[in-house]
Amino acid sequence: AQKITQTQPGMFVQEKEAVTLDCTYDTSDQSYGLFWYKQPSSGEMIFLIYQGSYDEQNATEGRYSLNFQKARKSANLVISASQLGDSAMYFCAMSENSGYSTLTFGKGTMLLVSP
Amino acid sequence: DSGVTQTPKHLITATGQRVTLRCSPRSGDLSVYWYQQSLDQGLQFLIQYYNGEERAKGNILERFSAQQFPDLHSELNLSSLELGDSALYFCASSVGEWGRHTDTQYFGPGTRLTVL
Repeated sequence: AQKITQTQPGMFVQEKEAVTLDCTYDTSDQSYGLFWYKQPSSGEMIFLIYQGSYDEQNATEGRYSLNFQKARKSANLVISASQLGDSAMYFCAMSENSGYSTLTFGKGTMLLVSP
Repeated sequence: DSGVTQTPKHLITATGQRVTLRCSPRSGDLSVYWYQQSLDQGLQFLIQYYNGEERAKGNILERFSAQQFPDLHSELNLSSLELGDSALYFCASSVGEWGRHTDTQYFGPGTRLTVL
């Protein structure tokens, strides 16, 4: 079974609108971490935001917020006020309680922001 | 700029050859991770080193090997290359403290390997 599922291969949004990118995860661990990374067309992987499984508040970093619903095992990324530079591939990833902090990635969602 | 450097940026080689990819972690980071990104397999964890020692192994082929040196830079060696090894290879680094799920990994720009 896939540990990280991103069901949206592609999303379109207009500039200045908000967009939600979906991520569900599968783990039997109580302690885990969830991450979102952005990969623009240039190829680099840029860390965006982190949510710990014991964090009570949803994580926020500037225009990025993580809608964490533990019971539903979802960790959706919300980008507010989209900008043209947000067009990229977005990956959800999980680090489980193995102690090693290695990441398991989803297949990604391609976001296109139009003017 | 994440602070993680990788060389070379691009590598074109032939089947059967051997190549070495190099990575320097962020200052202060003790852990180095290698990932492979291909169209069919997506992003896959290959191997992790912590302060010079192998810590975790993922889907790494026997033809591939890695090491981390005393100055903490790491090298990924790929040998007997096949067409299917063509991919983007990322190095990432983190503080590496055991069991920390807040241990964010910062990625280098990647090395794009093309095997012809």
